[in-house]
Amino acid sequence: GEDVEQSLFLSVREGDSSVINCTYTDSSSTYLYWYKQEPGAGLQLLTYIFSNMDMKQDQRLTVLLNKKDKHLSLRIADTQTGDSAIYFCAENGDYKLSFGAGTTVTVRA
Amino acid sequence: EPEVTQTPSHQVTQMGQEVILRCVPISNHLYFYWYRQILGQKVEFLVSFYNNEISEKSEIFDDQFSVERPDGSNFTLKIRSTKLEDSAMYFCASTGSGGTQYFGPGTRLLVL
Repeated sequence: GEDVEQSLFLSVREGDSSVINCTYTDSSSTYLYWYKQEPGAGLQLLTYIFSNMDMKQDQRLTVLLNKKDKHLSLRIADTQTGDSAIYFCAENGDYKLSFGAGTTVTVRA
Repeated sequence: EPEVTQTPSHQVTQMGQEVILRCVPISNHLYFYWYRQILGQKVEFLVSFYNNEISEKSEIFDDQFSVERPDGSNFTLKIRSTKLEDSAMYFCASTGSGGTQYFGPGTRLLVL
């Protein structure tokens, strides 16, 4: 079955870059996703990458995919206080998503 | 920008009661999903729905649960005889042909 693993916590200083890492097991995943969840709120789709891509950049967000190692990362440049949230990595298998446990990112001044 | 909506945002119910959670997927989407997130835990897949029938369901989605698309816009999750452990945030999602799932804001269900 699908299994997605993430580190649980990340603390970063405002203005620095954040890097959140994720590993997954399903090599047939077509897309890999990053979702953001603020306290008490829903899941906001941040970005996604197609499995035949190595990198995708979208403004402050950079996604790197190492398909051989089944490793996905999300880099947030110039991290702001509004970036404090839980970030979920997810892979799709037969259209259903399997989520990691989420990385809680805390931005300190 | 089109979005998935869910009602109610919060629901409190007594153990043993039935609840219906409602979702309006994005209008031209064809695949619909329910997920749940127990407080502090992972988001878990419950069920997917396409062409008016369940296409896949997880072990969690037992006979206590059912889904329905009663009309052209709504997608509902019914939980019969709720238990304390059904307390969770329930998310609806939908996707079009592209495969990217867009989530609603969730319904927080509390069973007392």
